[in-house]
Amino acid sequence: SQTIHQWPATLVQPVGSPLSLECTVEGTSNPNLYWYRQAAGRGLQLLFYSVGIGQISSEVPQNLSASRPQDRQFILSSKKLLLSDSGFYLCAWTVVRLTGQVNTEAFFGQGTRLTVV
Amino acid sequence: QQQVKQSPQSLIVQKGGISIINCAYENTAFDYFPWYQQFPGKGPALLIAIRPDVSEKKEGRFTISFNKSAKQFSLHIMDSQPGDSATYFCAARSSNTGKLIFGQGTTLQVKP
Repeated sequence: SQTIHQWPATLVQPVGSPLSLECTVEGTSNPNLYWYRQAAGRGLQLLFYSVGIGQISSEVPQNLSASRPQDRQFILSSKKLLLSDSGFYLCAWTVVRLTGQVNTEAFFGQGTRLTVV
Repeated sequence: QQQVKQSPQSLIVQKGGISIINCAYENTAFDYFPWYQQFPGKGPALLIAIRPDVSEKKEGRFTISFNKSAKQFSLHIMDSQPGDSATYFCAARSSNTGKLIFGQGTTLQVKP
């Protein structure tokens, strides 16, 4: 079965420090991978998505970057964190299923609660 | 730009009542419309989804109604239970890029 691992679960970092959040997927190959951010009381904002190794699309200009060094690994990074980077970060992946019709489900990790202080 | 608009932001329903959450989209190049349920501190989980060639889909107490001409879709939770208390997100998938665009979310509280 497919699973998604995201870590750490919680993180407290000072302003100006670097960031690295990692997400790995098991049980599937060539998934589409996504990083979302959920600010308190707000919806899910798409930050980055990737359709393959080394292929990253950025959705919003920001202080963050993403990389996909392996097919099932997606990393969210920052060189210098800002207070506004605080939030709940979610990694997700999608797969296209062929069961007569083409459907797409998105599977989310458990999220990382980042607090920048 | 917000391509999927969700309302209401919060909703309080009595146990046994019907919870209704609405979403509207702007881009006609969406081909899949899922709803996700999120409990505090957890990632969203797929609840139910619909394709645009279907006007309604029902799974247990959960029903999606889809109006393609109006570019609107809604989630109905029948016989709402306290365990349904969570944040609900609608989403739309771009047929061009495969990206899922989410609504702002609705926090549902079902009172016993």
